[in-house]
Amino acid sequence: LAKTTQPISMDSYEGQEVNITCSHNNIATNDYITWYQQFPSQGPRFIIQGYKTKVTNEVASLFIPADRKSSTLSLPRVSLSDTAVYYCLVGASNYNQGGKLIFGQGTELSVKP
Amino acid sequence: DAMVIQNPRYQVTQFGKPVTLSCSQTLNHNVMYWYQQKSSQAPKLLFHYYDKDFNNEADTPDNFQSRRPNTSFCFLDIRSPGLGDAAMYLCATSRAGGGGGTIYFGEGSWLTVV
Repeated sequence: LAKTTQPISMDSYEGQEVNITCSHNNIATNDYITWYQQFPSQGPRFIIQGYKTKVTNEVASLFIPADRKSSTLSLPRVSLSDTAVYYCLVGASNYNQGGKLIFGQGTELSVKP
Repeated sequence: DAMVIQNPRYQVTQFGKPVTLSCSQTLNHNVMYWYQQKSSQAPKLLFHYYDKDFNNEADTPDNFQSRRPNTSFCFLDIRSPGLGDAAMYLCATSRAGGGGGTIYFGEGSWLTVV
């Protein structure tokens, strides 16, 4: 399973764009990149998933370069409620191809007024 | 509506007294996972089921057992809880195939050992 490396913590202010980068140098061909958000005392919540290039949904964008050895989660115009831990996970989207997901250390994002 | 439901949300048990945590899902997913999450740490995978096929992580202590009587339900049994087992236990599910690959988590069960 590919190991991921993220910054342990980041600070931001309300209204700013936040970019969190994750390194996954030994990502496999079948692997997708998935980001989860976790608030204290709650289970992780799916944010976005991608394989290559750029993916956008109503919450975030995910940028993946051609070599797929890293990815960047972009949160536009963060608010105080975006304060949480963000996890980058790498694994096959199809369980039959090895789809169990192992969590890395995560990035604790703190948004200030 | 919650799709992965864990009970109880909070459990206090005595040192060495067996405890069972339950998880149910309405998604009809093949795969169910149990993670342990201690304070300020990332979730750690304990084991998972693919249908009835049980897969234990190499470093999961023997003190932790699991049962999956049917597709919808999965149980985590801690045979003799120690103080170090105090944590939040997360149940999660995913489909086995067909793409997507999203894992759905429950809200967790907090275990306190006294």
